[in-house]
Amino acid sequence: DIVMTQSPDSLAVSLGETATVNCRSSQNVLYSSNNKNYLAWYQQKPGQPPKLLFYWASTRESGVPDRISGSGSGTDFTLTISSLQAEDVAVYFCQQYYSTPPTFGQGTKVEVK
Amino acid sequence: QVQLQQWGAGLLKPSETLSLTCAVNGGSFSAYYWSWIRQSPGKGLEWIGEINHSGSTNYNPSLKSRVTISVDTSKNHFSLQMTSVTAADTAVYYCAREGLVVVTAIRYFDYWGQGTLVTVSS
Repeated sequence: DIVMTQSPDSLAVSLGETATVNCRSSQNVLYSSNNKNYLAWYQQKPGQPPKLLFYWASTRESGVPDRISGSGSGTDFTLTISSLQAEDVAVYFCQQYYSTPPTFGQGTKVEVK
Repeated sequence: QVQLQQWGAGLLKPSETLSLTCAVNGGSFSAYYWSWIRQSPGKGLEWIGEINHSGSTNYNPSLKSRVTISVDTSKNHFSLQMTSVTAADTAVYYCAREGLVVVTAIRYFDYWGQGTLVTVSS
């Protein structure tokens, strides 16, 4: 299985500042035939299921504000939350779907400082 | 608007069989694969397996021997059965829709059920 490792496990950021979440895969998730990274990002708030934010590493799901962005390629990926809002407090997960079984990172908890 | 509504028993004894069902309302049932995923404090998010409208399944090898996913296309329902549960199977179980099938399953998850807490305890 591909192991997804996120860093940090948690971070506290002041409102209006930038939060950066990193995700590293144990194997390349870039499929050379279509040049797509098989990597998704989710946001989960307490008592709710995960909500899809990005797929193909940087394709924003409908309704996701453009101050949240996804980037990276190959084995290293980043979720950036610019101008952090109170509503962004959540746990964020990355997930690879390059190979079976799809696997998730352990999660990064983003809080307000 | 796509909605996934799931239900099933929440408290099981060791060795019993877990059974959950997910109803899909809205959207195309046949154009997607449908998954079960669980989440526990110890193992995090874990993909269990998937099914499509024609009954084609794929399972996580770590659970394959105990898991069966089935589909009822007349009701747009799909179901999960997991046999011989232990305390390690205690988790919140989710049903979810995968990305639109192009050639093969695209396993990111854009719609989720509300989750069912399943507790295994004697």
